[in-house]
Parts: sequence; C-alpha cells; structure tokens
Amino acid sequence: AQSVTQLGSHVSVSEGALVLLRCNYSSSVPPYLFWYVQYPNQGLQLLLKYTTGATLVKGINGFEAEFKKSETSFHLTKPSAHMSDAAEYFCAVTFTGGGNKLTFGTGTQLKVEL
Amino acid sequence: KAGVTQTPRYLIKTRGQQVTLSCSPISGHRSVSWYQQTPGQGLQFLFEYFSETQRNKGNFPGRFSGRQFSNSRSEMNVSTLELGDSALYLCASSPATVSNEQFFGPGTRLTVL
Repeated sequence: AQSVTQLGSHVSVSEGALVLLRCNYSSSVPPYLFWYVQYPNQGLQLLLKYTTGATLVKGINGFEAEFKKSETSFHLTKPSAHMSDAAEYFCAVTFTGGGNKLTFGTGTQLKVEL
Repeated sequence: KAGVTQTPRYLIKTRGQQVTLSCSPISGHRSVSWYQQTPGQGLQFLFEYFSETQRNKGNFPGRFSGRQFSNSRSEMNVSTLELGDSALYLCASSPATVSNEQFFGPGTRLTVL
C-alpha cells in the first residue's frame, strides 16, 4: 500500500524567501509522484509530476521537486516566494498498474508574508 | 479545450435524502475518478471509472456509488445521506496514459443538514 506524509500542516515564509514543502512517501513499487495546489473554493491544479527519468522535475510557476529514492522523498521548492503562492499544497502518489487512484498527503497550507 | 466541469457547484440536503453529482471530463478523456475532501479526513479516493467500468474503488460504504456513460460523463450517487457526508466532492479526468496525470474539476460542495 502507498502512503504520503507531509511534514508541517502550516508553513509561513516571507515574500522573496525560499519555499520548501516536505513530502515523504511509502511505496513497495516504483511510485509516480505529484504535487497539486488548491486555491480557496477551487479544485486541484497539477504543479508537477515525477514518473520516470530525470529526478529533478520542473513545474509551473517556478516550482520544482526532486525525487530521492534513497530518502523516499519528493520535496517541493521554489527559490523566491510570491504572494500569489499562498494556497494549500498536496503531495500524492500512485504507481504503474494502480490506475488513477491517487493517495494524498494531508496537505500543507502555505502563507506568504510581506 | 474545456476543463472538467461539475454540477451542481453547491448543494444542501437533509439527512436520509439521496444526491446525485455530475461530472463532465475533458474531451477525449476516458477515465474519471471521484474524491471526497473533508477537513478531518483530507482527500480520499472514492472510485474510478474507465470506459464505463469501475476500475478502482476506495474504502467507502455501499451508499456511495457511481457510473460512467458512453460519452465518459460520470455521476456519483450518495444514498441515505449522513451529516458526515458533508464535503467537497472532486471529480478528475485523465487520458489514461501511463503518466496517470489527472485534471480536477472545481468540485461540488455538499452540505448535509
């Protein structure tokens, strides 16, 4: 069975500072990993995904994540936070043969302060 | 290309009633999945339909059911509503490629009184 742990339900950063949102996964088979963002009263928007190949993945809005198999991690980073990045972020996992059943983490609420 | 659409966006029901939610996937997408989002339990997978067949099912009681039509549109039904069914119900569609990327709709906010 797959699972995802997101450390820190709330993260606060200053505008222009580094954003680091942590995600660790557990999977007995090679995982597919995703980061989604959710703005208030909206659905989820895909930021980036890792399936196979390059372990450093670049996504939209300047976000990137690195798949580290040895650490079972897929942390999300952005060099410089913007006010518009304030939202809730979800890490999710599935695997080949798992269809489209995503297992989500509990989410991290990102606050960006002036 | 139009995104995933869900209707209605908001719904208020009372305990014991039943409800049907609708989802229209992105054109060409054959897979539709449903998720329940609550403050207490987070995002939980309900079920997935692919080419009118249920391909995956989450750990929800039988009161939750769904179906998919030949045009890939999907409905989910919840019978005998309970207060705990109050949630945001999200639909996601996928082209069913190996990347398993899913595109989410805005959700239906169900309130059970």
